[in-house]
Amino acid sequence: RKEVEQDPGPFNVPEGATVAFNCTYSNSASQSFFWYRQDCRKEPKLLMSVYSSGNEDGRFTAQLNRASQYISLLIRDSKLSDSATYLCVVNAGYALNFGKGTSLLVTP
Amino acid sequence: DTGVSQDPRHKITKRGQNVTFRCDPISEHNRLYWYRQTLGQGPEFLTYFQNEAQLEKSRLLSDRFSAERPKGSFSTLEIQRTEQGDSAMYLCASSGGGDEKLFFGSGTQLSVL
Repeated sequence: RKEVEQDPGPFNVPEGATVAFNCTYSNSASQSFFWYRQDCRKEPKLLMSVYSSGNEDGRFTAQLNRASQYISLLIRDSKLSDSATYLCVVNAGYALNFGKGTSLLVTP
Repeated sequence: DTGVSQDPRHKITKRGQNVTFRCDPISEHNRLYWYRQTLGQGPEFLTYFQNEAQLEKSRLLSDRFSAERPKGSFSTLEIQRTEQGDSAMYLCASSGGGDEKLFFGSGTQLSVL
């Protein structure tokens, strides 16, 4: 079983839609959780950290369920510029392990 | 702010040759990571340095791979006797302080012919 699993998509949504991505992780000792965004042929960039109580950054909301070892990302009012691959990241010891990513395409 | 820089951006080599990549992290960051990414996959952890000490290595890192960070600043990743399966994007990232957030370089794209 992979340490971090994500639905690869692709998710094709119209502008203005709300879309949710899910991620599960296998290491119950993990303490740090993030969402990264990766544009085509570019390096990953931090989108947001994920905190136990849930957190919001503008149109983006992240949730963590430790009991189920599940992380989510909700994007409201999708923009064309949100089109990218979203990577779920979980720590395991010193390493930060990445999921395969979920591809999002927002269409006009 | 110079960010994380990697050199070269692209490397084409023949099977069996040795290659070396360089990473210069953000200057105040003491933690440095190497990752490998292939098309359609997320970045895969290879190794981690805290200052000059290599504290973790993935089992993906075969004997042909070696990484160094001699003075706790820049790092090199060497691949000996390259194979076609080594073709990938090699990403370096750094972090510092009490923060685990990674800042990535633009990567070195390796093609083994």
